[in-house]
Amino acid sequence: DAKTTQPPSMDCAEGRAANLPCNHSTISGNEYVYWYRQIHSQGPQYIIHGLKNNETNEMASLIITEDRKSSTLILPHATLRDTAVYYCIAYHYGQNFVFGPGTRLSVLP
Amino acid sequence: EAQVTQNPRYLITVTGKKLTVTCSQNMNHEYMSWYRQDPGLGLRQIYYSMNVEVTDKGDVPEGYKVSRKEKRNFPLILESPSPNQTSLYFCASSSPSGGAVETQYFGPGTRLLVL
Repeated sequence: DAKTTQPPSMDCAEGRAANLPCNHSTISGNEYVYWYRQIHSQGPQYIIHGLKNNETNEMASLIITEDRKSSTLILPHATLRDTAVYYCIAYHYGQNFVFGPGTRLSVLP
Repeated sequence: EAQVTQNPRYLITVTGKKLTVTCSQNMNHEYMSWYRQDPGLGLRQIYYSMNVEVTDKGDVPEGYKVSRKEKRNFPLILESPSPNQTSLYFCASSSPSGGAVETQYFGPGTRLLVL
């Protein structure tokens, strides 16, 4: 079973920030938080990952709470091409990589 | 170009006829894995391999075999396919970095129909 829970769906207006929450209250101290997304039936695409500190790259920002029980993926300026299913995963090397059902993000014009 | 390739992309077969789906990566990655994706069930890991000759079961390994004789290849074998193995299959690869893995690169997928 997935160690994370996410809302099943969210809407966001084009050009606005999309904030996708993830709950991982049972995460272990050595498990990283990963975010992937999948557009239609394409292979999932890596977005970002982090352990304790907030992370930012060219695609998104990852905000992890101090107690590490939850995190938020931020797409700063959502576009229609960001419409996808977003997966939050808690993982440490050597474990099974478990995708949950994810959040279906719809970016609306 | 860095990529993960899978073949075939589409396959229709009959129950019991052995098949192999190939997966190859050109990034010298140690870690490779196979997933299946079904409506309502999401992506589930079948097998993974942390290096040559090292494989481990994922969440749904029943009915599948894998081998990792070379670093670049990680074929998925269905010895006796059944209709419940009809699915969309993805192969992925990445490199470990401490306790994490770096970006998992996914292949384009193989859509399998078992009649």
